[in-house]
Amino acid sequence: GDSVTQMEGPVTLSEEAFLTINCTYTATGYPSLFWYVQYPGEGLQLLLKATKADDKGSNKGFEATYRKETTSFHLEKGSVQVSDSAVYFCALSDPQTGANNLFFGTGTRLTVIP
Amino acid sequence: GAVVSQHPSRVICKSGTSVKIECRSLDFQATTMFWYRQFPKKSLMLMATSNEGSKATYEQGVEKDKFLINHASLTLSTLTVTSAHPEDSSFYICSAIKGGTGLLYNEQFFGPGTRLTVL
Repeated sequence: GDSVTQMEGPVTLSEEAFLTINCTYTATGYPSLFWYVQYPGEGLQLLLKATKADDKGSNKGFEATYRKETTSFHLEKGSVQVSDSAVYFCALSDPQTGANNLFFGTGTRLTVIP
Repeated sequence: GAVVSQHPSRVICKSGTSVKIECRSLDFQATTMFWYRQFPKKSLMLMATSNEGSKATYEQGVEKDKFLINHASLTLSTLTVTSAHPEDSSFYICSAIKGGTGLLYNEQFFGPGTRLTVL
């Protein structure tokens, strides 16, 4: 079945530090991969996505590359800010199980301190 | 933008009572809405897919008679937890998409969630 395994947190970094949150997946078909972010008190927001192998999704300084050979979609940012403090969810959708069904990881809480 | 609201944000109820949670798309029409449940330190689990004007499609293991879903309009879906018990305590999240379902992924817009505590 489809599943997403995500690095457990919490993660605490100093401002301007480098961020990596690991995410690996298993899927029946050829999934699309996503990173969602949830700021305190708000709903999940799509941060970035990639729909095929070797695609790189990017937004707000965050990047993730769809690696089919390692079934991974790690989230990276070169220099985090306090405003990046949030919970990050890796997710996939698999056309074979329903294109709008999202499978989520457990979420990783990031806290950035000044 | 595409904003989804949920009401209430937090509810505490006694065991045996029913609780209704509303999910509204504020600035778009949502033909399809989804209901998720999140346990502490666990991922979001899809409970059901709600299509306007038709019966919801429930995921395996979700009791349809316990979690009643109504999608009466293009901007409102409700989840009613009937005869709630402490094990139903959880964080319930809804999402909505602008278009219909299909082969291509349509971005889901999420509500902020509702924390249900059953005493």
